[in-house]
Amino acid sequence: NAGVTQTPKFQVLKTGQSMTLQCAQDMNHNSMYWYRQDPGMGLRLIYYSASEGTTDKGEVPNGYNVSRLNKREFSLRLESAAPSQTSVYFCASSEFPRETFFGQGTRLTVV
Amino acid sequence: ILNVEQSPQSLHVQEGDSTNFTCSFPSSNFYALHWYRWETAKTPEALFVMTLNGDEKKKGRISATLNTKEGYSYLYIKGSQPEDSATYLCALSNSNSGYALNFGKGTSLLVTP
Repeated sequence: NAGVTQTPKFQVLKTGQSMTLQCAQDMNHNSMYWYRQDPGMGLRLIYYSASEGTTDKGEVPNGYNVSRLNKREFSLRLESAAPSQTSVYFCASSEFPRETFFGQGTRLTVV
Repeated sequence: ILNVEQSPQSLHVQEGDSTNFTCSFPSSNFYALHWYRWETAKTPEALFVMTLNGDEKKKGRISATLNTKEGYSYLYIKGSQPEDSATYLCALSNSNSGYALNFGKGTSLLVTP
């Protein structure tokens, strides 16, 4: 079972560059999420999509955009990367009230 | 944003010790509480999803209880083993954000032989 798959696993960007993090789930979940994890801050919600065709801001949306391409896929885009966006990014999906499943994470460094 | 507090921040026990952690959360508008186990460089692994006041769940040597009226949950590990070393995360489902999880900062457990 693939579960939640996100790519890439690692990325180094220069300040001002753009990139898209890809995420796909094969569990037919309606809800998908993007989190970032920083030392001492825990996991914080960037954006979420409660169902296909909808997206909403989470706790820390500034500097990011998302696209819910279809029920399976939810991408996160950094238009102009900044060093403050150096973090580990996790995609997740769920069908409330069951458990939330996470991807393996993307370690992003912006220099 | 729902304020989820976990204590202690870190814990160091000897193999064979039993231990417990606390998760505190606002008791109003409760939907579900989740416990996760997270090892460095791995994906968070779900332990329990708890929805009812008084719920008790068990998975091997790990168990959890839930009190939604007073806003707390306990996670217990009986007879800790070195492989239990990980960060244990508590999270609350937030109905204002598509039931996304609001996480606490976690309890980091180290079990030494």
